[in-house]
Amino acid sequence: GAVVSQHPSRVICKSGTSVKIECRSLDFQATTMFWYRQFPKKSLMLMATSNEGSKATYEQGVEKDKFLINHASLTLSTLTVTSAHPEDSSFYICSALDRAGKNIQYFGAGTRLSVL
Amino acid sequence: GEDVEQSLFLSVREGDSSVINCTYTDSSSTYLYWYKQEPGAGLQLLTYIFSNMDMKQDQRLTVLLNKKDKHLSLRIADTQTGDSAIYFCAESSTGNEKLTFGTGTRLTIIP
Repeated sequence: GAVVSQHPSRVICKSGTSVKIECRSLDFQATTMFWYRQFPKKSLMLMATSNEGSKATYEQGVEKDKFLINHASLTLSTLTVTSAHPEDSSFYICSALDRAGKNIQYFGAGTRLSVL
Repeated sequence: GEDVEQSLFLSVREGDSSVINCTYTDSSSTYLYWYKQEPGAGLQLLTYIFSNMDMKQDQRLTVLLNKKDKHLSLRIADTQTGDSAIYFCAESSTGNEKLTFGTGTRLTIIP
């Protein structure tokens, strides 16, 4: 299947700092990527849909100024957690939609964010 | 809104078959997926089925879809220790690329 690379895999930061997470589709172009958040022992919660060349679409209850999304190219979307607080600590997972390949979402390995 | 339900836990003896069940409410679901998540990792696509299919088999994996009852199952034949993981079913509808995930089923293999 297609490969999606997500970096970093783990980040520990101090409260008040900003953290950027990258999601890259390595062997296909992805005009649409998704950002999810997963709480311990819970399912995935969709945060936003990232669209190449346009603004991201955020799900209800997700602060767009808190979670900045930039989809600057056909293979890269970034999620920046601004002014991180301990309650932002979570597992963040991205996926990229392969439209050429039966509309399948392929997922990155996830980023574990810990805010002290 | 759409709802996808799974049982939370399943324990199976090594070598036996595992059957993980999923029910969904959206009658317009077109694509149904099974993903596997190992500890601390992202989601790995295992298999998928279109709503116009009843069954799909891929090596040790068999997916059954009962569209009338909105019931999806994943059967893993000859379950191995490496199959220990959380299994998520997910659905999407035509024209809506968002996935709705189930709660996940944690599969534990008993030696």
